[in-house]
Amino acid sequence: QKEVEQDPGPLSVPEGAIVSLNCTYSNSAFQYFMWYRQYSRKGPELLMYTYSSGNKEDGRFTAQVDKSSKYISLFIRDSQPSDSATYLCAMSARTGGFKTIFGAGTRLFVKA
Amino acid sequence: SAVISQKPSRDICQRGTSLTIQCQVDSQVTMMFWYRQQPGQSLTLIATANQGSEATYESGFVIDKFPISRPNLTFSTLTVSNLSPEDSSIYLCSVELETQYFGPGTRLLVL
Repeated sequence: QKEVEQDPGPLSVPEGAIVSLNCTYSNSAFQYFMWYRQYSRKGPELLMYTYSSGNKEDGRFTAQVDKSSKYISLFIRDSQPSDSATYLCAMSARTGGFKTIFGAGTRLFVKA
Repeated sequence: SAVISQKPSRDICQRGTSLTIQCQVDSQVTMMFWYRQQPGQSLTLIATANQGSEATYESGFVIDKFPISRPNLTFSTLTVSNLSPEDSSIYLCSVELETQYFGPGTRLLVL
């Protein structure tokens, strides 16, 4: 079993839709949870960063962490064609050089 | 946050040669990381590079194939040696502040 599972998609939605991206994980020691957005031919860009459980909102993006279920989500409201990218979840047990584990990434297409 | 640049952005190399990738950060950082991202795949950590010490390599990666230098707190290089077509990939430099930030990547094609 992989430490982090993420559906690779692709996920295709119409413009304006609410998008839900998810990851599950197996290591209960993970405390730091990140979402990265990666456009084609670019490096990953940090979108959201949360510590432990709960929700975090930033504009159209909301990150949720449910540690009891070992499940994290990223919601995108009012999706735009410019949101079309690959979204990678990532998590680590600690900062300070501890290994970050990445999901496989979900490819998202938002159709105009 | 951190601003990270990589050189070259892309290259095409012949089998058996080597490519050295440079990573420059706009602030001093303790930890720098090198990742490989093969087409359609997620990120695989190659090694962790601390200034003033030998890099720590992940399982499946060895220093002879992927020598790393870390001469100061803002710079690192990764060399991919004795290139084969299987080395065709994107190579990413990353640093850790409160979380990890990535450079734009170096796209390598080996013929």
